[in-house]
Amino acid sequence: EDQVTQSPEALRLQEGESSSLNCSYTVSGLRGLFWYRQDPGKGPEFLFTLYSAGEEKEKERLKATLTKKESFLHITAPKPEDSATYLCAVQASEYGNKLVFGAGTILRVKS
Amino acid sequence: GAVVSQHPSRVICKSGTSVKIECRSLDFQATTMFWYRQFPKQSLMLMATSNEGSKATYEQGVEKDKFLINHASLTLSTLTVTSAHPEDSSFYICSARDWGQNQETQYFGPGTRLLVL
Repeated sequence: EDQVTQSPEALRLQEGESSSLNCSYTVSGLRGLFWYRQDPGKGPEFLFTLYSAGEEKEKERLKATLTKKESFLHITAPKPEDSATYLCAVQASEYGNKLVFGAGTILRVKS
Repeated sequence: GAVVSQHPSRVICKSGTSVKIECRSLDFQATTMFWYRQFPKQSLMLMATSNEGSKATYEQGVEKDKFLINHASLTLSTLTVTSAHPEDSSFYICSARDWGQNQETQYFGPGTRLLVL
């Protein structure tokens, strides 16, 4: 059973069409939930870390939220340059220092 | 955010040769670095955890004699793919753990594309 599940696998949006990406997790002893953005052929770029349920963080058009079972990455009025793969990863007591990644959501924003 | 570099960015080698990939934390010290492998259209798979001054910890199924890791300083970790074969062709990415404001974050390098002919 996957510990970290991201949905949808792929998402196509029109420019300006707001939406949300989901990351659900089943690990015990969550120490942190991380969001990264990855462009093709490049390494992941750090976006946010969330540590406790109810926590929210924002950066430009992105806002990340966390509950006890899932996290959402809200994208408000996206632009074509927001197109990328968004990766969610969790760090949990049962895994020590390691990050366990979800499969990612491929976002395409068309102008 | 913190910066992590990798060198080389791309490498093509013949089957049977060894390839060394460097991972450097440029503006912070990292006692722990991680090496990942990523196949096309797949997520990152952790290969090993590299600890400065001690032996690396490898994930299940990763051959430690094939993927040699050295973490000789607080800013440098190297991954050597020994006797590379075509099936080792992949995108290798390192990350470095940074503690800032009592919060831990892993910053990733830009990746190294390895092609074994």
